[in-house]
Amino acid sequence: EAQVTQNPRYLITVTGKKLTVTCSQNMNHEYMSWYRQDPGLGLRQIYYSMNVEVTDKGDVPEGYKVSRKEKRNFPLILESPSPNQTSLYFCASSLGTSIYNEQFFGPGTRLTVL
Amino acid sequence: AQRVTQPEKLLSVFKGAPVELKCNYSYSGSPELFWYVQYSRQRLQLLLRHISRESIKGFTADLNKGETSFHLKKPFAQEEDSAMYYCALRYGQNFVFGPGTRLSVLP
Repeated sequence: EAQVTQNPRYLITVTGKKLTVTCSQNMNHEYMSWYRQDPGLGLRQIYYSMNVEVTDKGDVPEGYKVSRKEKRNFPLILESPSPNQTSLYFCASSLGTSIYNEQFFGPGTRLTVL
Repeated sequence: AQRVTQPEKLLSVFKGAPVELKCNYSYSGSPELFWYVQYSRQRLQLLLRHISRESIKGFTADLNKGETSFHLKKPFAQEEDSAMYYCALRYGQNFVFGPGTRLSVLP
């Protein structure tokens, strides 16, 4: 089944403990993106990647890192998580960014940083 | 800065009534706009694009550059339309989403 997968789906951690949220797609999509969703703010783009080894900042990149070593994977790394990074995170992918390219979203990862 | 606003957090209508979900954007370039929908326990998914020439699930949206709006409309709401709706703008390789409107269609 063509889809975007994220792991873990739920994570509770403590301040400062490095964590990685994985994202994988099996549709050979070039564009991948991470968003965080907070009440009243909608989805805000963290980072995106146009292709392997090509990543760029979105609107809220502070405190996050990403990598794109393979086309299918786009992990989100929090080197030193803080409570203000408690949020619902979505990964998405698409063939490209043309108006004709639909973004497919993962199921979301709910992160709590204590 | 690019921004998308959706003034209504919650919109409740009765089944069969018309519905309009408002979306306004700020962008100096040529906008590309989308509506995404998230049904209960499902993933966020594309509903329609501003270039859609036909209705999707009975919904249409018209891009009004003069009013910088992209409102989503349906003439007769159905209970299965109850969901969270997000308006989104693409600029360059970036996407910005509005805060969302929860549509509740009452029986």
